[in-house]
Amino acid sequence: GAGVSQSPRYKVAKRGQDVALRCDPISGHVSLFWYQQALGQGPEFLTYFQNEAQLDKSGLPSDRFFAERPEGSVSTLKIQRTQQEDSAVYLCASSLARGTGELFFGEGSRLTVL
Amino acid sequence: AQSVTQLGSHVSVSEGALVLLRCNYSSSVPPYLFWYVQYPNQGLQLLLKYTSAATLVKGINGFEAEFKKSETSFHLTKPSAHMSDAAEYFCAVSDPSGGYQKVTFGTGTKLQVIP
Repeated sequence: GAGVSQSPRYKVAKRGQDVALRCDPISGHVSLFWYQQALGQGPEFLTYFQNEAQLDKSGLPSDRFFAERPEGSVSTLKIQRTQQEDSAVYLCASSLARGTGELFFGEGSRLTVL
Repeated sequence: AQSVTQLGSHVSVSEGALVLLRCNYSSSVPPYLFWYVQYPNQGLQLLLKYTSAATLVKGINGFEAEFKKSETSFHLTKPSAHMSDAAEYFCAVSDPSGGYQKVTFGTGTKLQVIP
């Protein structure tokens, strides 16, 4: 596709529900990143993939957060048993080549946990 | 560990005035440095990047930034602000400890342009 596509754009969940956020990167981009952006803050790194391999998941805040990219293209970020502090915008970015730092971002998925 | 500090969460300038957004970095090794811009309800997009070539980097929309190792700074400037520059700007850093893959962002500076 022309850009990074994320869905849903908006998600409201009741506390305790599971949610899944999808990211469709730019075709051919090897690296894929997930960031969490709380209101008024900068993006915080969660995890990244190179093709299907998850090379760094050090930013995942708890074991309720899980990300996958099984075929090296589309990625899903899953949050189990959501809590109010999970409310944030979840940003996905992709990169053509490793190590450039030039990230192409989607518009984000805004999660609100009630 | 790599990090960036952005001084001033909000900056206001008059249309036509100089824009100066400050960023200082912390990295134990020569880093890559970036400025990203985020318009309301849009994703972040890259303005410019420094990757150890020329220390003065020019980006899109007339913005530029200068890498100053002695000051550990990478401030963003534009000679004359335009109304369309109103947005949030993020400084970011990556370093070789993570293969330049992991990009760490600052907390952002919201730029307001006053007509």
